Amino acid sequence: KNQVEQSPQSLIILEGKNCTLQCNYTVSPFSNLRWYKQDTGRGPVSLTIMTFSENTKSNGRYTATLDADTKQSSLHITASQLSDSASYICVVSDRGSTLGRLYFGRGTQLTVWP
Amino acid sequence: EADIYQTPRYLVIGTGKKITLECSQTMGHDKMYWYQQDPGMELHLIHYSYGVNSTEKGDLSSESTVSRIRTEHFPLTLESARPSHTSQYLCASSDNDGLATDTQYFGPGTRLTVL
Repeated sequence: KNQVEQSPQSLIILEGKNCTLQCNYTVSPFSNLRWYKQDTGRGPVSLTIMTFSENTKSNGRYTATLDADTKQSSLHITASQLSDSASYICVVSDRGSTLGRLYFGRGTQLTVWP
Repeated sequence: EADIYQTPRYLVIGTGKKITLECSQTMGHDKMYWYQQDPGMELHLIHYSYGVNSTEKGDLSSESTVSRIRTEHFPLTLESARPSHTSQYLCASSDNDGLATDTQYFGPGTRLTVL
């Protein structure tokens, strides 16, 4: 069964600290993996996207890694800010865009305290 | 910032009412989607469209219907709302460029509460 599992379910850190969120998937075949940020009451916004051949992708203070062999991805947030408080969702696609289906994780709820 | 809009943002209605959730995008995207999301849970695809006059049901069974008469507009309708329809509804669109990495752009969502 194709699944996307994220951990931890929730995380609280202090402003300025770093953190790493995990995503394990069993989706096959694999096309690409995305990380989205979803602020409370808003729609998700894309942070990074990686295909099979990419093992790291950065977007400012966000760095995503992908190990396609172990089917694991991580999202590292550096020097956290209060505005980083949000749900971070891992999304895996099983094919190219036209036929691909997206599998969503339940997200990690990150809270950054001052 | 994505140019995709949803109205209303919040809606509280009584059981049995007919409602339409509006979604529009100004990016000229061919593909549009409706997702349902409960708190702390993953998004579930309920409808999608690959272009005008094209609509398909998604993975999650839904009593709602959709239409795609214009490229930019993808409304979702519930003929008779029930408390089980209480949820967050997210609309998204993406460009049908044929690449493996097309990104879905999401609207702000409609929070529906059926009493």
